[in-house]
Amino acid sequence: TQLLEQSPQFLSIQEGENLTVYCNSSSVFSSLQWYRQEPGEGPVLLVTVVTGGEVKKLKRLTFQFGDARKDSSLHITAAQPGDTGLYLCAGGGVGTYKYIFGTGTRLKVLA
Amino acid sequence: NAGVTQTPKFQVLKTGQSMTLQCAQDMNHEYMSWYRQDPGMGLRLIHYSVGAGITDQGEVPNGYNVSRSTTEDFPLRLLSAAPSQTSVYFCASSRRDAGAQYFGPGTRLLVL
Repeated sequence: TQLLEQSPQFLSIQEGENLTVYCNSSSVFSSLQWYRQEPGEGPVLLVTVVTGGEVKKLKRLTFQFGDARKDSSLHITAAQPGDTGLYLCAGGGVGTYKYIFGTGTRLKVLA
Repeated sequence: NAGVTQTPKFQVLKTGQSMTLQCAQDMNHEYMSWYRQDPGMGLRLIHYSVGAGITDQGEVPNGYNVSRSTTEDFPLRLLSAAPSQTSVYFCASSRRDAGAQYFGPGTRLLVL
């Protein structure tokens, strides 16, 4: 059974601080997605990474896919209150259409 | 485009009742899926479909049925509701060769 472990589970920081969220597995994934979810809504896609070692930037967010395609990280620079939410990673298995989600990192950015 | 729509938004059932959660997408996506989200457990895959007439089980399929007669619709049926099925249910769709999924707003289900 494939598992995706996210850390930390909870994070409360001050506006302007930097943070990194990790998504780790012992399994290889064909692709990995990061989503953000607001209370009462469905997850919204932030990025997809497919190549080992790939780095993608989305404004103040930097996403990296591990060289072996087993892990990923999300780095936020100068966090803002609008970044508050639940961050989820999801991996697609090699040769399968089943997607596994991590348990999520709940981020709160205080003004 | 409406994207992915789900109905109803909220539902209360009694143990043993059956119901169907509706999901529709207007993006012509081949892949559709159902997840349930419970506190502290992230999203877990219930069933998925890679095209009309093709469905397969996910991580937690017991107690749920699906069918895919059209590209647009992917209903989820609870055969005999149990309190353990109290959860928030999300439907999602994507192109079959892309991992990025688009989610609906969710259905909140309470089984008494």
